[in-house]
Amino acid sequence: EDKVVQSPLSLVVHEGDTVTLNCSYEVTNFRSLLWYKQEKKAPTFLFMLTSSGIEKKSGRLSSILDKKELFSILNITATQTGDSAIYLCAVPNSGNTPLVFGKGTRLSVIA
Amino acid sequence: DVKVTQSSRYLVKRTGEKVFLECVQDMDHENMFWYRQDPGLGLRLIYFSYDVKMKEKGDIPEGYSVSREKKERFSLILESASTNQTSMYLCASSFSPGPQHFGDGTRLSIL
Repeated sequence: EDKVVQSPLSLVVHEGDTVTLNCSYEVTNFRSLLWYKQEKKAPTFLFMLTSSGIEKKSGRLSSILDKKELFSILNITATQTGDSAIYLCAVPNSGNTPLVFGKGTRLSVIA
Repeated sequence: DVKVTQSSRYLVKRTGEKVFLECVQDMDHENMFWYRQDPGLGLRLIYFSYDVKMKEKGDIPEGYSVSREKKERFSLILESASTNQTSMYLCASSFSPGPQHFGDGTRLSIL
């Protein structure tokens, strides 16, 4: 069965800290891994990773994939209160397009 | 920008009622999805569709049905609402391959 496991489940940090969120997966016929950020409403797309070792970056957020060890990390540097959200990791399942989601990491950034 | 619009942000219905949740996307995506999101359980796929008039069961289809008569519209139907269907419902759409883009969600309460 396809599986996506995120850790930690929740995290509280102070503004300015750097955080690393983890996502491990088990899926046959791996094609991609996606990261989303969810605040109060819909998940918003952050990154899609397909190749090992190539960092994707957007402002203070970056992510990298390790296809050998079957995991990805999402880094956030110089955190701000606006980074408080649930961060979701997902991979397309073995069959086709539908995504298998992890349970998410709830990040709280306090001033 | 991709726009996925769900017809209601909040909805309150009674047990036994037939409930319709509507979702419209404006990007000509062939794929559309319905998820529910519950605390501690994450996002779970109810149904998805690859094309007009086509549907596939997700992980938790029991008690639900869907309709896709037009490419841009995907409806979720609760045939006879029950209290355990109280949840946040999220619609998403995508190209193949590509990230899914989510609507803002409908928070449904069944009394």
